[in-house]
Amino acid sequence: DVKVTQSSRYLVKRTGEKVFLECVQDMDHENMFWYRQDPGLGLRLIYFSYDVKMKEKGDIPEGYSVSREKKERFSLILESASTNQTSMYLCASSPRNYGYTFGSGTRLTVV
Amino acid sequence: GDSVTQMEGPVTLSEEAFLTINCTYTATGYPSLFWYVQYPGEGLQLLLKATKADDKGSNKGFEATYRKETTSFHLEKGSVQVSDSAVYFCALVKTGANNLFFGTGTRLTVIP
Repeated sequence: DVKVTQSSRYLVKRTGEKVFLECVQDMDHENMFWYRQDPGLGLRLIYFSYDVKMKEKGDIPEGYSVSREKKERFSLILESASTNQTSMYLCASSPRNYGYTFGSGTRLTVV
Repeated sequence: GDSVTQMEGPVTLSEEAFLTINCTYTATGYPSLFWYVQYPGEGLQLLLKATKADDKGSNKGFEATYRKETTSFHLEKGSVQVSDSAVYFCALVKTGANNLFFGTGTRLTVIP
């Protein structure tokens, strides 16, 4: 069964900490995505990547960065976590032209 | 720009009731359209899709028809079950693009 695995289901971090959210897919997909999900706002795209070492800003990239050193792994980095980054983070991957597979999500709380 | 608008929830129905969740879109060209479902505590799963006008996507008793004339992709099910309780997201992707645009989601609760 194809999978997108996010390293943590729940995380609690302190304001100002550097936070890494990891996502791994085993489907050899070119495209990978990071979204955040907030009540009433739906899913908002933070960053995506369509190839190794390539990245594109989504709708809300401020305060985030990403890394894609290997095809199967796409990391989201919060350089200095803030309370307004408390959210559910969802990773997804797809081959070219749609067909997203999502991970189970990481619920991050910044205190 | 491209966008998806879906009916606001929450929606509460009794078991075996008929379900409609409205979704309309704005996009240039001919996007592909999707419904995703998110069960409690889980990520999103693809429920059904349609890639061109008049296509009907169907899965698990759910259906949606791609209506270009009304730019709509409404989700329907004839008889809902308690296990259908979830959040439903409408989404689109433009031809040749890589990223989906999502609606804000509609929470459905089915009571016995």
